[in-house]
Amino acid sequence: EAGVAQSPRYKIIEKRQSVAFWCNPISGHATLYWYQQILGQGPKLLIQFQNNGVVDDSQLPKDRFSAERLKGVDSTLKIQPAKLEDSAVYLCASSLGYEETQYFGPGTRLLVL
Amino acid sequence: QQPVQSPQAVILREGEDAVINCSSSKALYSVHWYRQKHGEAPVFLMILLKGGEQKGHEKISASFNEKKQQSSLYLTASQLSYSGTYFCGERAGNKLTFGGGTRVLVKP
Repeated sequence: EAGVAQSPRYKIIEKRQSVAFWCNPISGHATLYWYQQILGQGPKLLIQFQNNGVVDDSQLPKDRFSAERLKGVDSTLKIQPAKLEDSAVYLCASSLGYEETQYFGPGTRLLVL
Repeated sequence: QQPVQSPQAVILREGEDAVINCSSSKALYSVHWYRQKHGEAPVFLMILLKGGEQKGHEKISASFNEKKQQSSLYLTASQLSYSGTYFCGERAGNKLTFGGGTRVLVKP
């Protein structure tokens, strides 16, 4: 069974630029999550989708971050414009349902200069 | 507010035991444990549901005391492969909130 796919794996941008990350969850997983993990900290949930609807986005900085999950399958997370403090690993995870085990992708390592 | 993990770091010799604690200020439905090796994604270890259930994965086991709102992860007879950062995740409602992690280093 294929795992969660993410791209790109690494990205370096300058502050005020835009960036987008892509995630393809495990086939059949209804719930998709985007986490931000700053070095030395635990993953912080940014947004959670159930199929193509948003379940929780309470910690998403909506003035600069946006995410969508069209057709309830893959998802895109965008940052526009980026700030220095956005430097982190962005992890995508998926699960059959929100109470089920979450499976993480390899992450995208973002460096904002 | 995230769960509090202790200790923040632990160094073990191969074969030694360790306990990692995870405390919450909320009434919990379940606790999830993950291990993350450097530069890799977190990998699921186990879920504990309320009821004081104890589960195991290899020689790693855990308990969940819902009254104390606390979970403990037990590393028994540690192996080199146990090195990594362990995160507990508390579920209250439909969201999982992770703790700050406990770094474990197992030396030969």
